[in-house]
Amino acid sequence: AQKVTQAQTEISVVEKEDVTLDCVYETRDTTYYLFWYKQPPSGELVFLIRRNSFDEQNEISGRYSWNFQKSTSSFNFTITASQVVDSAVYFCALINGGSNYKLTFGKGTLLTVNP
Amino acid sequence: EAQVTQNPRYLITVTGKKLTVTCSQNMNHEYMSWYRQDPGLGLRQIYYSMNVEVTDKGDVPEGYKVSRKEKRNFPLILESPSPNQTSLYFCASRPHQGGTEAFFGQGTRLTVV
Repeated sequence: AQKVTQAQTEISVVEKEDVTLDCVYETRDTTYYLFWYKQPPSGELVFLIRRNSFDEQNEISGRYSWNFQKSTSSFNFTITASQVVDSAVYFCALINGGSNYKLTFGKGTLLTVNP
Repeated sequence: EAQVTQNPRYLITVTGKKLTVTCSQNMNHEYMSWYRQDPGLGLRQIYYSMNVEVTDKGDVPEGYKVSRKEKRNFPLILESPSPNQTSLYFCASRPHQGGTEAFFGQGTRLTVV
């Protein structure tokens, strides 16, 4: 079975602080895919990043960076110099290559960035 | 524009009155699915379809039906809605069964009273 755990239910920071959102996953397959989605207050789901299990290279996109570590089954997301517009619910998700390719979500982390 | 379109965006209905939430995608994707989002529970898969006429249950299928008669459409049917089906629903599509990212509709907020 596959599982995604986002232990941080809510995080509140002040603008310009750095913040890391944790994601721990469980899967028995060697081939899998990890994702982060953002859900702003308007409600839509916005794709942020995709990583496959064979690519542990960390990624940086502007103020966003992702740290993928297979040894700890983690795929953490860091926002540098947070801004009010970063306030949203962030979901980590997993596709297990050995199953029906179901996209399994964590329960999400609500990030509030205060001015 | 590539998109997944859900309708309606908002719906208030009464217990037992059959309803259908439509989902259509214009990207020729094989894989489509429905999720419901509830506070503290994240998104849970209701049903999915790997291609036309191929559908299967997800994690929370009770009380729902789906059909996939055409590649682009994947409606969600609630034959007899109950208050515990009050939720935010998302339709999603992906190009194939692989590990590509999903494209989501705008969401349908359903309230059953």
